[in-house]
Amino acid sequence: GENVEQHPSTLSVQEGDSAVIKCTYSDSASNYFPWYKQELGKRPQLIIDIRSNVGEKKDQRIAVTLNKTAKHFSLHITETQPEDSAVYFCAASRNNFGNEKLTFGTGTRLTIIP
Amino acid sequence: NAGVTQTPKFQVLKTGQSMTLQCAQDMNHNSMYWYRQDPGMGLRLIYYSASEGTTDKGEVPNGYNVSRLNKREFSLRLESAAPSQTSVYFCASSVIIVGNQPQHFGDGTRLSIL
Repeated sequence: GENVEQHPSTLSVQEGDSAVIKCTYSDSASNYFPWYKQELGKRPQLIIDIRSNVGEKKDQRIAVTLNKTAKHFSLHITETQPEDSAVYFCAASRNNFGNEKLTFGTGTRLTIIP
Repeated sequence: NAGVTQTPKFQVLKTGQSMTLQCAQDMNHNSMYWYRQDPGMGLRLIYYSASEGTTDKGEVPNGYNVSRLNKREFSLRLESAAPSQTSVYFCASSVIIVGNQPQHFGDGTRLSIL
């Protein structure tokens, strides 16, 4: 089955700087890669996702890049703000005839230092 | 739209007791999922249901059973609770049209087994 590794487990950056979180996956057939943000005590919420036919996707201060050859994808947050402090999870999935399921990384706790 | 609703939000059980966690979605999604979240381990899939009438094991199914009651509802049952099942449980749902689509999460159930 799929295995997703996520690094780093914790990350602290100064407000206004950029943050990068990296994930690798093992299943070369995986083609869907979402990123979730989870604030303390809250539900995980999708912030951005990318499919394997695209190399990069941006949404305001957030971008995700995908390298299918190396089987890794990364989340980039620019101009970080205090409200970006949260735990971020990457995930991967492949098409499976209606039985699609996500495999999650173990999470990165991002702290923005004012 | 309430999205994904989980009940109860908190529960304390004694070892050996049984209970059912309830999940309902009002988004007409066909797929539903149960995860557990433990510190440092991300979200691990317990069971999922690709469509009404079908259920399949995920990564950590031991000690749990599920029922897909109808398209809206997917319940998780602990028959004989153990301290190792202390965790935060999340239900999620997704529409699968052609390949993967984002999963939407409920607020979680915080379960403690004494």
